[in-house]
Amino acid sequence: GAGVSQSPSNKVTEKGKDVELRCDPISGHTALYWYRQSLGQGLEFLIYFQGNSAPDKSGLPSDRFSAERTGGSVSTLTIQRTQQEDSAVYLCASSVTTGEYNSPLHFGNGTRLTVT
Amino acid sequence: GQQLNQSPQSMFIQEGEDVSMNCTSSSIFNTWLWYKQDPGEGPVLLIALYKAGELTSNGRLTAQFGITRKDSFLNISASIPSDVGIYFCAGSRGAAGNKLTFGGGTRVLVKP
Repeated sequence: GAGVSQSPSNKVTEKGKDVELRCDPISGHTALYWYRQSLGQGLEFLIYFQGNSAPDKSGLPSDRFSAERTGGSVSTLTIQRTQQEDSAVYLCASSVTTGEYNSPLHFGNGTRLTVT
Repeated sequence: GQQLNQSPQSMFIQEGEDVSMNCTSSSIFNTWLWYKQDPGEGPVLLIALYKAGELTSNGRLTAQFGITRKDSFLNISASIPSDVGIYFCAGSRGAAGNKLTFGGGTRVLVKP
């Protein structure tokens, strides 16, 4: 498809389990972002990729959170030993980089994570 | 935590009304954007503002980038039922695709 694709759309997991969330950015978009949205809240930045490297990981809330991107395309966000406070919608966005300019972000529909 | 204060937090609209929402910050942003989010979907870009003082329209939507670079507003004219949703402002200290800081959102609902 033409948009940012995220999977799964919903994930229910037990506290203490690990989860992996996947993001397929728009083809050709070199910049990729992960955000988290708690119920009724705005979006909270987690991590930014330019190509396969992550120059800004400042939003990752703890060392249980990690992300990687391979081939300058697909990214996975991994949460280890999930806690109930990790429950949220995890949104991925991508944008085009031209020189030093990044186009506005295009968002996927998110993965709704529920930790029971 | 959030650095953008968005108001109102929610509002009721009646079809045909004009509505307005705004966003303020204690620090400067170089790019302001407005997004709309429908239930179960990701935010969709409505308007991007790149220059202080800029006034930009997109159909019935008009947004302005404040001259101090610390605020922005969004107006919706002649509202229709599909305007219902959550509207977010976002600021970037770099270009529009750089890391964004989001406001808390304005939930627009239809008057019963």
